[in-house]
Amino acid sequence: GENVEQHPSTLSVQEGDSAVIKCTYSDSASNYFPWYKQELGKGPQLIIDIRSNVGEKKDQRIAVTLNKTAKHFSLHITETQPEDSAVYFCAASIAGNEKLTFGTGTRLTIIP
Amino acid sequence: EAGVAQSPRYKIIEKRQSVAFWCNPISGHATLYWYQQILGQGPKLLIQFQNNGVVDDSQLPKDRFSAERLKGVDSTLKIQPAKLEDSAVYLCASSHGTNNEQFFGPGTRLTVL
Repeated sequence: GENVEQHPSTLSVQEGDSAVIKCTYSDSASNYFPWYKQELGKGPQLIIDIRSNVGEKKDQRIAVTLNKTAKHFSLHITETQPEDSAVYFCAASIAGNEKLTFGTGTRLTIIP
Repeated sequence: EAGVAQSPRYKIIEKRQSVAFWCNPISGHATLYWYQQILGQGPKLLIQFQNNGVVDDSQLPKDRFSAERLKGVDSTLKIQPAKLEDSAVYLCASSHGTNNEQFFGPGTRLTVL
């Protein structure tokens, strides 16, 4: 089955700086890659996703890049703010199968 | 639109007891998922329903876990009997269909003593 690895497990950045979280996946048939943000005591919330027919997608301060050849994708957050502090999860699913396989999460802390 | 509702939010039981969780998905969402999230890990799919039929329950420990989705709307997840290692957050999610965004509920935090 699919295996998703996520790095780093913790990340601290100064407010205003950029943060990058990286994930790799194992199954070349995967074609959907969402990123979720989970705040304390809440369920995961989708912040951005990308499909295998594009290499990059941007939404305001958040961007995701995908390298299908290397089977890795990354989340980029620019101009970080205190409210960006949370746990971020990457995930992957295989074409025709809605099952999401999640990474182990990255705890992002924004230092004021 | 209203989000995914789950209850209870917290539950503390002793090992070998039984427990049940309830989920009400977003109206119109045909697909419903139950995930187990152990502290410090990502969510792991337990079971996926399409309307009231099971699509994937390959990771559901069927000797103690059961789930149903009567009438293709609400769903319940039951654990009987509970073990210490079942301590986790149980998340319910719903979606319209294939590769669409999954909307998560707030989860039920289970502590087994």
